[in-house]
Amino acid sequence: DAKTTQPNSMESNEEEPVHLPCNHSTISGTDYIHWYRQLPSQGPEYVIHGLTSNVNNRMASLAIAEDRKSSTLILHRATLRDAAVYYCILSGGSNYKLTFGKGTLLTVNP
Amino acid sequence: NAGVTQTPKFQVLKTGQSMTLQCAQDMNHEYMSWYRQDPGMGLRLIHYSVGAGITDQGEVPNGYNVSRSTTEDFPLRLLSAAPSQTSVYFCASSYGAGGYTEAFFGQGTRLTVV
Repeated sequence: DAKTTQPNSMESNEEEPVHLPCNHSTISGTDYIHWYRQLPSQGPEYVIHGLTSNVNNRMASLAIAEDRKSSTLILHRATLRDAAVYYCILSGGSNYKLTFGKGTLLTVNP
Repeated sequence: NAGVTQTPKFQVLKTGQSMTLQCAQDMNHEYMSWYRQDPGMGLRLIHYSVGAGITDQGEVPNGYNVSRSTTEDFPLRLLSAAPSQTSVYFCASSYGAGGYTEAFFGQGTRLTVV
């Protein structure tokens, strides 16, 4: 499985944008980029995913580099509820499996 | 819709005991899987199923059994509990292959083996 690299932790202030980076230099052409987050004492929650183009949904935006070797999850206005561990995961088109790393622990300051 | 429901939420077992962790989903998803999460770690895949009657091993299958007799249910059986199986267990389901669809996770079962 192609691997991802994320910072161990990041901090943000409430109501400010947050950019969470992810490097995936060995990504293959059929790998989708997924982001999940895990709030304390809860199961992982889907955030967003994409293949080549930038994606937006009600929770966040996903910016994918042109060479697809990196991506950025963008939370437009962080809230205290966004404090969580964020996982960047690559998953092939026919592969149901999600391989979780340690993710990025996001702290949001009031 | 309830989504993915796991029972129980908490369980304490003695070494050598057996038990079944229940997982049910009401979204008619074909793909279901079990993960475990140890403190400070990401999730690791135990077993998965791509449809009723079809199961396969994941990354850490030893000590666990699964079966899938219906689309809705995917129980995880601990045959003879060991302290190393103390962990939080998550069940997940998805409509199709994980690449292009989102997965839904249950709230987890926190298991302690003493």
